[in-house]
Amino acid sequence: DIQMTQSPSSLSASVGDRVTITCRASQGIRNSLTWFQQKPGKVPKSIIYDASSLQSGVPPKFSGSGYGTEFTLTISSLQPEDFATYYCQQYDGHPFTFGGGTKVEMK
Amino acid sequence: EVQLVESGGGLVQPGGSLRLSCAASGFTLSDHYMDWVRQAPGKGLEWVGRTRNKDHSFSTEYGASVKGRFSISRDNSENLFYLQMNSLKSEDTAVYYCVRGYNGFDIWGQGTMVTVSS
Repeated sequence: DIQMTQSPSSLSASVGDRVTITCRASQGIRNSLTWFQQKPGKVPKSIIYDASSLQSGVPPKFSGSGYGTEFTLTISSLQPEDFATYYCQQYDGHPFTFGGGTKVEMK
Repeated sequence: EVQLVESGGGLVQPGGSLRLSCAASGFTLSDHYMDWVRQAPGKGLEWVGRTRNKDHSFSTEYGASVKGRFSISRDNSENLFYLQMNSLKSEDTAVYYCVRGYNGFDIWGQGTMVTVSS
């Protein structure tokens, strides 16, 4: 199975900060990577697919990059509604696997 | 509006069975890959399985922890998608989401809770 490792597992940031989350795959997955945002008690929401494509309706403060084994999710200017847990997931090979999540908390 | 609505969750004893349903609306189910994803209480996300679209004969794939116990099917004429869960274990306790596998995994249902306990 392809292992997905997210870092950091948690971070503290302030409104207006630029935040970057990293996801590493144990083997190459091309650009078959997606990012989700999940708030407590809520359904996960897709924000990025194919590593860098913005999901419909998602604001452009979110961006994704990477190919192969290393990927990043960047929030250009953190807003109060962005405090949440973020997960990456690969869909290049079965079984599809998720990273362990990164919790973005208010400093 | 594109929407997925799950049903069928509940309390079941270890070793029991349960069938979850997912009603799709706003799109043609047979055109799309569909997935099940679960989340145990306080834990991360786990992919359960997938059925491909009509172009790929609705073939299926499963995660290792459920393979041989769970099966995915669909009734495209009714726009329904199912997860049959057999030989349930306590570690299957989770919220189960049906998800459309388009542009990654773009649309999620609200989830249905399955609790496996005696």
